[in-house]
Amino acid sequence: AQSVSQHNHHVILSEAASLELGCNYSYGGTVNLFWYVQYPGQHLQLLLKYFSGDPLVKGIKGFEAEFIKSKFSFNLRKPSVQWSDTAEYFCAVNAGYSSASKIIFGSGTRLSIRP
Amino acid sequence: GAGVSQTPSNKVTEKGKYVELRCDPISGHTALYWYRQSLGQGPEFLIYFQGTGAADDSGLPNDRFFAVRPEGSVSTLKIQRTERGDSAVYLCASSPEQGYGYTFGSGTRLTVV
Repeated sequence: AQSVSQHNHHVILSEAASLELGCNYSYGGTVNLFWYVQYPGQHLQLLLKYFSGDPLVKGIKGFEAEFIKSKFSFNLRKPSVQWSDTAEYFCAVNAGYSSASKIIFGSGTRLSIRP
Repeated sequence: GAGVSQTPSNKVTEKGKYVELRCDPISGHTALYWYRQSLGQGPEFLIYFQGTGAADDSGLPNDRFFAVRPEGSVSTLKIQRTERGDSAVYLCASSPEQGYGYTFGSGTRLTVV
């Protein structure tokens, strides 16, 4: 069965600091990987996704993530955070054999940015 | 429609009552998913439909939970004999047949008192 682990429950940073949120998954086969973001009071939005090809994926708002297959990791990064990045971030995975198979989410990392 | 629509946005019900939660997916999206999100947790998979049929219902917690999608578009999640532990935000998402990554609705916040 697939599972996703997010190591940090709550991260607090100052504006302009660099960000890296950890994500590890458990699944032996081909996977598709995602990062979703949930801003306060809003619904979940797709930040970026990896299907195949270049393991460094660029998403919206300056975010990127790197798929390292040997480490079963898909960490999210941003060189310089802004106050508006305050949100909950969820890493997710689904089995790559089917485009419509269920996505399994991690428990989330709450990011707080000090202005 | 432009996005995934869920109604009602909030529902308060008494323990033991029956509730229905509705999801209207993006037009043309063949796959529809239901998730449940409790405070401080990630979304928990419940069930997904491919067209009218439930392709995977392995996440439904027990037989009090049931979902339908009779015409392959709108879906209804039904919860019988609600319990306080059912209180959560119920999320619906849809995706195209060959798409990766879902579009989520705003959710229905269910409170069982």
